[in-house]
Amino acid sequence: EPEVTQTPSHQVTQMGQEVILRCVPISNHLYFYWYRQILGQKVEFLVSFYNNEISEKSEIFDDQFSVERPDGSNFTLKIRSTKLEDSAMYFCASREAGGHYGYTFGSGTRLTVV
Amino acid sequence: AQSVAQPEDQVNVAEGNPLTVKCTYSVSGNPYLFWYVQYPNRGLQFLLKYITGDNLVKGSYGFEAEFNKSQTSFHLKKPSALVSDSALYFCAVRDKENNFNKFYFGSGTKLNVKP
Repeated sequence: EPEVTQTPSHQVTQMGQEVILRCVPISNHLYFYWYRQILGQKVEFLVSFYNNEISEKSEIFDDQFSVERPDGSNFTLKIRSTKLEDSAMYFCASREAGGHYGYTFGSGTRLTVV
Repeated sequence: AQSVAQPEDQVNVAEGNPLTVKCTYSVSGNPYLFWYVQYPNRGLQFLLKYITGDNLVKGSYGFEAEFNKSQTSFHLKKPSALVSDSALYFCAVRDKENNFNKFYFGSGTKLNVKP
């Protein structure tokens, strides 16, 4: 079964550093998403991306965050200057054009900011 | 506003007994409802969904869920629990008419199945 692949599985970074979280969505999918889950809390929507632009973003997704699909296969989330409160599990997801019902989620990247 | 409530932080059940994990939702339009499971240090795995049609939905690993429109509920059930079912379960909703792209997740319920 096709999978959404996220790398790395765990990343530790110092406060103030930039991080890039990488995702490889399923190849024929056209819609891409990032969610995050702070430890012990709900999974929260960050951003959706379609046709090479952001289609929706939450209030969490401020100027420190950006997304990019640099080469037609990867989908990245960049945090410019990490804060302690950015520590969370970040999930990438994708869906195909007609796949209105379900996404496929990746296994997540656990980001720890120290 | 769209939201999902999972009223129980934790559910404890003995192996072999039936289990229920509760979920209620609130959406402006018509709901698409989902259950996901998360094992330790793993991602979100899809269990089942309700889109339309039969209110009783069957999913992976013997789980099922019943959509109840009048009670705005979508409780997850399994007739006979296994120790390996122990995990974190998330209910999620998408609103067919509003913010369709976005999932709204509940806070999760930790299921403990004891041998």
